Amino acid sequence: AQSVTQLGSHVSVSEGALVLLRCNYSSSVPPYLFWYVQYPNQGLQLLLKYTSAATLVKGINGFEAEFKKSETSFHLTKPSAHMSDAAEYFCAVSDDSYNKLIFGAGTRLAVHP
Amino acid sequence: NAGVTQTPKFQVLKTGQSMTLQCAQDMNHNSMYWYRQDPGMGLRLIYYSASEGTTDKGEVPNGYNVSRLNKREFSLRLESAAPSQTSVYFCASRKTGENTEAFFGQGTRLTVV
Repeated sequence: AQSVTQLGSHVSVSEGALVLLRCNYSSSVPPYLFWYVQYPNQGLQLLLKYTSAATLVKGINGFEAEFKKSETSFHLTKPSAHMSDAAEYFCAVSDDSYNKLIFGAGTRLAVHP
Repeated sequence: NAGVTQTPKFQVLKTGQSMTLQCAQDMNHNSMYWYRQDPGMGLRLIYYSASEGTTDKGEVPNGYNVSRLNKREFSLRLESAAPSQTSVYFCASRKTGENTEAFFGQGTRLTVV
């Protein structure tokens, strides 16, 4: 079964610092991967998704993620954190038939001045 | 454009009571999902429906039942609520058969006492 593992339940960075949120997947076939963000007391919204067209995927709000097959990773990065980036971030994987969408445990990002 | 609408937003139940969480989407999506979100555990898939008339178990189906009433609506029923079902429940929908994003409702915060 497809699954994703997010390393680090909490990440804290200074405003202006690099953001790196880690996601590793387990899949025997090319996966379909997503990053979602959840702001307090809200539902989830899509940041970006990997579609195999390019290994470096750009999303909203300056985030991007790089698909590395050799490392089975799809880490999320942002060059310069902003206070408004404070939220919980989820990596997700879709199964081959696109029916199931399985989420990781999430990483809560804190941004301090 | 309502997207995915969940009702109610908040609910308190006594142990043993039953209730149904409602979800409706207006995007003509075939696939619909129910997740529960618990601290440190991310979103766990309870049930999903790949098309009208079909439902399948997800990761944590015990204690729940679902009904795909029509293409728009997918309800989640707790027949005999237990404190372990205290959680935030999210409904989502997406196109079937494509690697597309899922759209989420705002969630239902359920407390079982």
